[in-house]
Amino acid sequence: DTEVTQTPKHLVMGMTNKKSLKCEQHMGHRAMYWYKQKAKKPPELMFVYSYEKLSINESVPSRFSPECPNSSLLNLHLHALQPEDSALYLCASSQWDRVNSPLHFGNGTRLTVT
Amino acid sequence: KQEVTQIPAALSVPEGENLVLNCSFTDSAIYNLQWFRQDPGKGLTSLLLIQSSQREQTSGRLNASLDKSSGRSTLYIAASQPGDSATYLCAGSNTGKLIFGQGTTLQVKP
Repeated sequence: DTEVTQTPKHLVMGMTNKKSLKCEQHMGHRAMYWYKQKAKKPPELMFVYSYEKLSINESVPSRFSPECPNSSLLNLHLHALQPEDSALYLCASSQWDRVNSPLHFGNGTRLTVT
Repeated sequence: KQEVTQIPAALSVPEGENLVLNCSFTDSAIYNLQWFRQDPGKGLTSLLLIQSSQREQTSGRLNASLDKSSGRSTLYIAASQPGDSATYLCAGSNTGKLIFGQGTTLQVKP
């Protein structure tokens, strides 16, 4: 079982809906990440939080809004998405945002935008 | 800009065979190289992380090597089993961000 928990596992939403993806870890990690993965493609970095502050935004459209309420939780708020945003959204954490800390991934949320 | 390439894209082997997965990267100023496994519809499981000062790491039947001068890493799987069937991704980091290769999809036939 993964130590990074993501909910929901599956989500279907219309283009006018507002929804949120949730991620939780209890490993004491201080860096958390959102990745997007399309079918048969590698994950692409979206956001990095370090010590609960946003440190990297990979030019992600504003219809994706991340939030880190505390060191164990990471949310991704979704609004006015497009069908091409359908993908597997992966959350990850690492002990630090330093390069020699291995990333631990959750099982992802499979998002379908209709 | 760091680019990571994995060859082959797919590999099918009989059970029990030893095999090597290849990963190459363009920027030798790499901080570390991490190997992941991904099962269909699942997240990524970290297998091995090799720091830039190291040349290899071992975990069970897995051995990963790193050669910064040639820009290559290999993942060696000994005595493959059907349960090893998955997609294997390597990822390099030199700016604090992981750059993933496209992955090698491995099928081990009983």
